[in-house]
Amino acid sequence: DQQVKQNSPSLSVQEGRISILNCDYTNSMFDYFLWYKKYPAEGPTFLISISSIKDKNEDGRFTVFLNKSAKHLSLHIVPSQPGDSAVYFCAASAVVAGNQFYFGTGTSLTVIP
Amino acid sequence: ETGVTQSPTHLIKTRGQQVTLRCSSQSGHNTVSWYQQALGQGPQFIFQYYREEENGRGNFPPRFSGLQFPNYSSELNVNALELDDSALYLCASSYPQGNIQYFGAGTRLSVL
Repeated sequence: DQQVKQNSPSLSVQEGRISILNCDYTNSMFDYFLWYKKYPAEGPTFLISISSIKDKNEDGRFTVFLNKSAKHLSLHIVPSQPGDSAVYFCAASAVVAGNQFYFGTGTSLTVIP
Repeated sequence: ETGVTQSPTHLIKTRGQQVTLRCSSQSGHNTVSWYQQALGQGPQFIFQYYREEENGRGNFPPRFSGLQFPNYSSELNVNALELDDSALYLCASSYPQGNIQYFGAGTRLSVL
């Protein structure tokens, strides 16, 4: 069963505009959420995270929003840059489950110059 | 910075064979997790090791086994390879109770 879902396999955005990547989860025990970025032939690179006690976390051009009631989180990238083109994975974990990560299937972001 | 290294980068095996994949954790990390990423999918948790003991396991059969050594490096062993085992295998390390895992570049396994 897929406990973390990313329903958009791909997204194209013009350089300078906002990119919004979405993620839904089903397990209410998840208490920590992360976004990873993956370039071809490289491992996933940690981007930003958020604890379930917060609803927003910001780091430079990247902001993650968490809506616990909707079991939904999103990653906003503003402004988008061509170097942001990569596959983005959403991941969730629960302390009670030993911090095992559950990943979504990824969204491929293309930023068009 | 990741500092997690995996070897080999690519591997080709035939069905029924056994394979061992290796991972060196980032300095200071004593927890290592292994993931399988099939084409077009997200990484799927195989198991985690902490202080040389298995510390959680995903929905994978017993022919997937692992080891962690005193220097926190780790191995993933897969016996009786099946065609569906073809995937990218990722190793990730973290601090104990750490919320962030740092990934290596992976080993691409092809089973023919």
